[in-house]
Amino acid sequence: DAKTTQPPSMDCAEGRAANLPCNHSTISGNEYVYWYRQIHSQGPQYIIHGLKNNETNEMASLIITEDRKSSTLILPHATLRDTAVYYCIVRVEISFNNDMRFGAGTRLTVKP
Amino acid sequence: NAGVTQTPKFQVLKTGQSMTLQCAQDMNHNSMYWYRQDPGMGLRLIYYSASEGTTDKGEVPNGYNVSRLNKREFSLRLESAAPSQTSVYFCASSEAPNPPYNEQFFGPGTRLTVL
Repeated sequence: DAKTTQPPSMDCAEGRAANLPCNHSTISGNEYVYWYRQIHSQGPQYIIHGLKNNETNEMASLIITEDRKSSTLILPHATLRDTAVYYCIVRVEISFNNDMRFGAGTRLTVKP
Repeated sequence: NAGVTQTPKFQVLKTGQSMTLQCAQDMNHNSMYWYRQDPGMGLRLIYYSASEGTTDKGEVPNGYNVSRLNKREFSLRLESAAPSQTSVYFCASSEAPNPPYNEQFFGPGTRLTVL
């Protein structure tokens, strides 16, 4: 799986949009971009994924650049409950070494 | 729907003891996974079951065994626990093993301490 780079931390004001960037410059054509988050001590939570088109669901929007080398997760109206570590992962089919090594992720703090 | 459930939530073992971690999902998913997460680190895949009746090793399978009991249940067994297996264990499931259907849904985790 391709390597991803994310800023270690970000702050966001409650009610404002949170834009979380992810760089995946070595992504290959069949790799999907996935976003998960982990609220302290809980299991990771799936947010959204995409291949090359922008995607939106009830939780967030995913914007993937045309060259697919970077993406941005957008939480349109952040709440205090969105405070978590956000992980960007690119993956293809599962294999024996296909771990869910999220790396450090971005610690998002939503402030009142 | 309960989603993915895990038992127990907490467990303390002595070195050499054995135990089984239980996981069940009610989403009719085909694929199930076991991960461990050590402090300050990402998740590492221990074993996975792409579909009922199959299991495969992940990145860190040594010291563990698994059983896909049926479509709903996937258990993880530690035969002889070691302090290095102190970790938080997460079970997950997905509709299928490969994109675009392999978004994974995680259980709450089991916090295991081996003394």
